[in-house]
Amino acid sequence: QKEVEQNSGPLSVPEGAIASLNCTYSDRGSQSFFWYRQYSGKSPELIMFIYSNGDKEDGRFTAQLNKASQYVSLLIRDSQPSDSATYLCAVQGAQKLVFGQGTRLTINP
Amino acid sequence: SAVISQKPSRDICQRGTSLTIQCQVDSQVTMMFWYRQQPGQSLTLIATANQGSEATYESGFVIDKFPISRPNLTFSTLTVSNMSPEDSSIYLCSETDRDSYNEQFFGPGTRLTVL
Repeated sequence: QKEVEQNSGPLSVPEGAIASLNCTYSDRGSQSFFWYRQYSGKSPELIMFIYSNGDKEDGRFTAQLNKASQYVSLLIRDSQPSDSATYLCAVQGAQKLVFGQGTRLTINP
Repeated sequence: SAVISQKPSRDICQRGTSLTIQCQVDSQVTMMFWYRQQPGQSLTLIATANQGSEATYESGFVIDKFPISRPNLTFSTLTVSNMSPEDSSIYLCSETDRDSYNEQFFGPGTRLTVL
């Protein structure tokens, strides 16, 4: 079992809709969870982090964490074509980040 | 977050040669890391660059192949030694500060092609 798992996609969402990205992790001791956005040919950009169960909102982005289910998600409201990118879930364990494979998201105008 | 720069941004090298990648941060940071991102893949941690001491390597990566230096709190280098085409990848450095929740911020990356 991979330490951090994401659906590789591609995930296609119409413009203006909600995009939902999911991630599961295997290490129950993980404390911090991160979402990175990576445009093609660019380096990853941190967009959200969460460390407590529940929801954390920042603009159009909401991160959700359920430690009991070992599940992290990212919701993008009012999706825009500029949100088209690969989204990487990362989990903090033993002072290092473990990344999932990433989900490629396409927002269709 | 600090501003991170990397040199070179890209290079094309011949097999058997070595390339040193530099990572410069505009402020002192606690920890620096080196990652590899192979084409179409996610990020894999190569090592943690420790200031003033030997780097801590992840499983599958060795010092002879990827020597790392970190002479101070703002600078690190990664050397890819005796390169083969399998080393063609993007190499990324990142930084974090212990005062944060371990958020890591990435440099722009170095795109390496080995012929």
